[in-house]
Amino acid sequence: GAVVSQHPSRVICKSGTSVKIECRSLDFQATTMFWYRQFPKQSLMLMATSNEGSKATYEQGVEKDKFLINHASLTLSTLTVTSAHPEDSSFYICSATMVGLYNEQFFGPGTRLTVL
Amino acid sequence: GQNIDQPTEMTATEGAIVQINCTYQTSGFNGLFWYQQHAGEAPTFLSYNVLDGLEEKGRFSSFLSRSKGYSYLLLKELQMKDSASYLCAVRNNNAGNMLTFGGGTRLMVKP
Repeated sequence: GAVVSQHPSRVICKSGTSVKIECRSLDFQATTMFWYRQFPKQSLMLMATSNEGSKATYEQGVEKDKFLINHASLTLSTLTVTSAHPEDSSFYICSATMVGLYNEQFFGPGTRLTVL
Repeated sequence: GQNIDQPTEMTATEGAIVQINCTYQTSGFNGLFWYQQHAGEAPTFLSYNVLDGLEEKGRFSSFLSRSKGYSYLLLKELQMKDSASYLCAVRNNNAGNMLTFGGGTRLMVKP
């Protein structure tokens, strides 16, 4: 159990376009989902915390108008990178929290975004 | 704020034991996680410590000392497939239980 999926797994787009990434908890309800960004050979950096039915909480330095997060249901959160630029190229990973022994976060497989 | 430090890289030999250290400074400590991440993949959960002491799980063990702000991950009987990044993450209950990750330790296991 506790499987998190992400779609797409890989996307290449032109500069100036918008890209939507979906994160789904497949077999549990996740009241909280997290979005991370990871540049090559670096660790995960939290971008925002997303709670179902409310506005996302963004970390300092993350532009909320550029990275739109919608947590429409207990099993789906989406991240839209608007007007993407080459510097937005990164590995985007979502995670979801399930109430349990450790209240641990379960990570999706990640989405590799390349902006040309 | 939070500060989490771990070595950037380590090298060890197949069959050996390696210890990866993590030190942290945080308020509202609510647990420390270790994750394994292979290149291009998402992190996978290895261990969780919230009380002082050693948690053993097969070839992997994790230790925590809250008074010292210190944890280590111990890997025994190293295998080539253990070559990966190991991420130390601290949970903060003053910040919605969010995780803050250390920079990760890239472990290379050599024959």
